[in-house]
Amino acid sequence: DIQMTQSPSSLSAYVGDSVTITCQASEDIRDYLNWYQHKPGKAPKLLIHDASNLATGVPSRFSGSGSGTDFTLTISSLQPEDFATYFCQQCDSLPLTFGPGTKVDVK
Amino acid sequence: EVQLVESGGGLVQPGGSLRLSCAASGFTFGDYYMHWVRQAPGEGLVWVSRIDRDGTSTVYADSVEGRFTISRDNAKKTVYLQMNSPRVDDTAVYYCAREPTDSYGMDVWGQGTTVTVSS
Repeated sequence: DIQMTQSPSSLSAYVGDSVTITCQASEDIRDYLNWYQHKPGKAPKLLIHDASNLATGVPSRFSGSGSGTDFTLTISSLQPEDFATYFCQQCDSLPLTFGPGTKVDVK
Repeated sequence: EVQLVESGGGLVQPGGSLRLSCAASGFTFGDYYMHWVRQAPGEGLVWVSRIDRDGTSTVYADSVEGRFTISRDNAKKTVYLQMNSPRVDDTAVYYCAREPTDSYGMDVWGQGTTVTVSS
């Protein structure tokens, strides 16, 4: 199985800050990497698919980059509604695997 | 409105059985792969199973292989997860999600249904 790691596991930031989360795969997954936002009690939300493609309806302050084993999610200007947990997920091969998550909270 | 609504969660004894349902609306259900993903208390997201568009191909995580069965009824726009012989560590919120094409990503999720396995 492909193992996914994320860093940091949590971070605190102010509204307006730029935030970067990294995700690393245990082997080459090309660009088969997705990012999700998850808030407690809510349905997870797809933000980025195929490493760098913004999902429908997602604000442009979210961006993704990377290929192979190293990926990043950047939120360019953090908004109040962005405080949540973010997960990466590889879809290069089954079983699909998620990273452990990065919790972004208010500083 | 595009929507997925899970149901069927609850308390089940270890070794019992439970069937989860996920009703779809607002889109052409048969055009999508469907997944089940779970989140145990205090833990991250874990993929459980996937079924292809016409139900002929299914895949499972090793942890549920042989105990859980995913199925779908395209006429009823519903995907199911039959949970047999559940264990305490199957306790989680179970989400269903759709995927437009293989390796695209799960672009719509339900709100989840809670399964508690306990004696």
